[in-house]
Parts: sequence; structure tokens; C-alpha cells
Amino acid sequence: DQQVKQNSPSLSVQEGRISILNCDYTNSMFDYFLWYKKYPAEGPTFLISISSIKDKNEDGRFTVFLNKSAKHLSLHIVPSQPGDSAVYFCAARDTGNQFYFGTGTSLTVIP
Amino acid sequence: EAGVAQSPRYKIIEKRQSVAFWCNPISGHATLYWYQQILGQGPKLLIQFQNNGVVDDSQLPKDRFSAERLKGVDSTLKIQPAKLEDSAVYLCASSFLPGQRTFGNTIYFGEGSWLTVV
Repeated sequence: DQQVKQNSPSLSVQEGRISILNCDYTNSMFDYFLWYKKYPAEGPTFLISISSIKDKNEDGRFTVFLNKSAKHLSLHIVPSQPGDSAVYFCAARDTGNQFYFGTGTSLTVIP
Repeated sequence: EAGVAQSPRYKIIEKRQSVAFWCNPISGHATLYWYQQILGQGPKLLIQFQNNGVVDDSQLPKDRFSAERLKGVDSTLKIQPAKLEDSAVYLCASSFLPGQRTFGNTIYFGEGSWLTVV
């Protein structure tokens, strides 16, 4: 049973425009949410996170939004750059310090 | 700060053979995870250790997979005998306990061990 879902397997965006990656979850007890970026042949790299007590966290070009009532989070990348092309995974942590991952969204930024 | 170290990076074995993967977590991280990632899917937790004790191994196929973390630091994951469907990337990750740091725990991954079973 998938507790964290990424319904868009792929996304293409023009360089300089905004990339919006979406993620939905089912467990209301998740207390911490993260986004990871993965290049081919490498392990996932931590990108940005947000606790369940906040609704927005920003780090440079990356902003994560959390809508707890809708059990939805999104990652905004502005402006998008070709080097952002990768697979992005959202993850959520439960109170047992266990992390659940979505299936990933492959982002392609077109120069 | 050194990251999570894994070896070997790549392994090709025949079905029914055995394989072992090694992981050294980030220094000070009490929690260690082994994930399996099949192509096109997200990482799936196999086993979670807290220090040298098992917290969760509910998704570990115990008839063929085993893992240990004897001294609460390094860990090994073994598959014996391997099946074709075990072809995947095996990711080791580590994190602090929630109480070890201020709220805001993060899980850090190694580069993965890529297994192909033929």
C-alpha cells in the first residue's frame, strides 16, 4: 500500500520557467517531509525538507509547500536550469523514524 | 563530513548464488536503513536498525535476505540464494535519532550497490 504517491512520472519544463513537482500522502501522522534528487547511477541526494508544523520552506531556487488538510506537498524550482534534470522523490517520515518514498518524477529541463 | 559508504558499487551474479553488500554510515548516526530500489520505482525499506537492534524488518524476505549490524556501526546485507527479481539497487542510508538533534531529521543515502542477477 503506497502511502506516498507521485502521480506524474515525468515533467518537461523550459529553462528559466517554473517546475512544479507534486506529491500526495495518506498518513496524517507523518511529521516531516523531504525531497530528494537522484541522478543516474547515484544515490538520492537530500534537497529540501519541511516539518508538519509549517506550510512553506524556501532554500534558494527551491521551495516546498505543505497543505496538510489536502495531504499534499509540492516542490517549486524557480528558475529551472538544465542541471536540475533528474528524478525527484518525495518522502515522508513517521513517528517511528521510518521514511516512505514516492515512485519519483523525472524532470527534464529543456535549454 | 564523510557520507554513507557502500561497497561493492556493482555486482553481477548468477541466480542461486550469494552476494553481500557492506555499508558504513555517517559517523554518529544511530539509525541505519537498507532500501531496495527497482528500476522505475521508489526506494522500498528492507530493514531499519537503531544502533545494533532491528526496528523494522517486516519487508525483508527472510528466507533469502539477512542483515546485521553487530557493533552498531557498519552493516552487511546478504542475499542467498539470489533470484532474478532481486536485480535492483540496494541503498544504505543513515540518520540521527529524532532526539539526537533538533527537530528536522534527514536521511542520507550512499551511492548504492547495483545488483544484476542473470
